[in-house]
Amino acid sequence: KAGVTQTPRYLIKTRGQQVTLSCSPISGHRSVSWYQQTPGQGLQFLFEYFSETQRNKGNFPGRFSGRQFSNSRSEMNVSTLELGDSALYLCASSLAPGTSADEQYFGPGTRLTVT
Amino acid sequence: AQSVTQLGSHVSVSEGALVLLRCNYSSSVPPYLFWYVQYPNQGLQLLLKYTSAATLVKGINGFEAEFKKSETSFHLTKPSAHMSDAAEYFCAVSVFQGGKLIFGQGTELSVKP
Repeated sequence: KAGVTQTPRYLIKTRGQQVTLSCSPISGHRSVSWYQQTPGQGLQFLFEYFSETQRNKGNFPGRFSGRQFSNSRSEMNVSTLELGDSALYLCASSLAPGTSADEQYFGPGTRLTVT
Repeated sequence: AQSVTQLGSHVSVSEGALVLLRCNYSSSVPPYLFWYVQYPNQGLQLLLKYTSAATLVKGINGFEAEFKKSETSFHLTKPSAHMSDAAEYFCAVSVFQGGKLIFGQGTELSVKP
């Protein structure tokens, strides 16, 4: 079974631009979560989607948004990029958010560099 | 609110030596706890999880972790380190609503030949 895939793997943008990252979950997984990883802040939860609905949201500004499609694929968007948005963005999928015990499977991440 | 503290941002061991990576959690409800490993330029791979079924949890690659409620700890161990174990390790707690993991700051493990 194929793992979580994320595209693109690497991205370079300039300040003020906007960016869209894509995530395809493991087949059969219906929940997708996004995380931002930086050397200073570590791994931080962005948001989680299930059945095209955002169920949880982390403490990030409104410039960060996401959505989920009917096939469970998810995208996240960052508008008006800032230098501090440079990070590894990780997507994780799980079967369903029925319990907190569901393990999340992570993709390889998208490395975003803002110049 | 749930939180996770990993003691030691960097741990160095010799090949064949015991690996011990420390994790303490704070949770107002019975927690679900996870250990993940991250190799350079890769995502996170699940090593093991605790979901209250057994306090000693065995994972992949010879790792195991013991849940100790009295100490609010979930330390990761491996009896004999291998060079391929060099990576960054993250302890995480799951918020009871599901879908959100709170991670510790990570511990980088180095293995010396």
